[in-house]
Amino acid sequence: AQRVTQPEKLLSVFKGAPVELKCNYSYSGSPELFWYVQYSRQRLQLLLRHISRESIKGFTADLNKGETSFHLKKPFAQEEDSAMYYCALSSDSNYQLIWGAGTKLIIKP
Amino acid sequence: DTGVSQDPRHKITKRGQNVTFRCDPISEHNRLYWYRQTLGQGPEFLTYFQNEAQLEKSRLLSDRFSAERPKGSFSTLEIQRTEQGDSAMYLCASSPRAAPNEQFFGPGTRLTVL
Repeated sequence: AQRVTQPEKLLSVFKGAPVELKCNYSYSGSPELFWYVQYSRQRLQLLLRHISRESIKGFTADLNKGETSFHLKKPFAQEEDSAMYYCALSSDSNYQLIWGAGTKLIIKP
Repeated sequence: DTGVSQDPRHKITKRGQNVTFRCDPISEHNRLYWYRQTLGQGPEFLTYFQNEAQLEKSRLLSDRFSAERPKGSFSTLEIQRTEQGDSAMYLCASSPRAAPNEQFFGPGTRLTVL
């Protein structure tokens, strides 16, 4: 079964501390993985995708096929990073997104 | 604003009533998706269109749900005989031909069924 698991519903860290949001997936084909972010009162927006290998707003994520993981990392958290973060997997047949339940990230001052 | 728009933003209805939501995608995007999101969960795929063709429907989409995209531009999602379990945020997204995986989301329509 295709599934995305985000084990932490809530993650709270201090400003300046490293952040790691966990994402594990289950998929039989070659998945494409994404991280989406939703800031307070804003719409869902794409943060990054694994094929682009970019760093966006200081965040990076590496696809580990052996561990079926796509964890999101940032070395030094900032208060403006507080938001809901969703990991998603794209089906290679119709591009529908399969989503994790999300992790609420709170950056404490 | 050239982003995805949805109307209405909020809808409160009584059980048994019909409701219709509209989504206007980004103009050059050929794919349009509908998702449903309930509290504490990520979005769940409902259906998607490539141009005017509805290519896939989730089993979540019961016979009470119907979606159209008549001219390959805007789309409507209708729920007939609403039930309290239909209360959710309904999200629309669109993606361009060159990057079908890159989905841009609307603000959502929050449905409350009393």
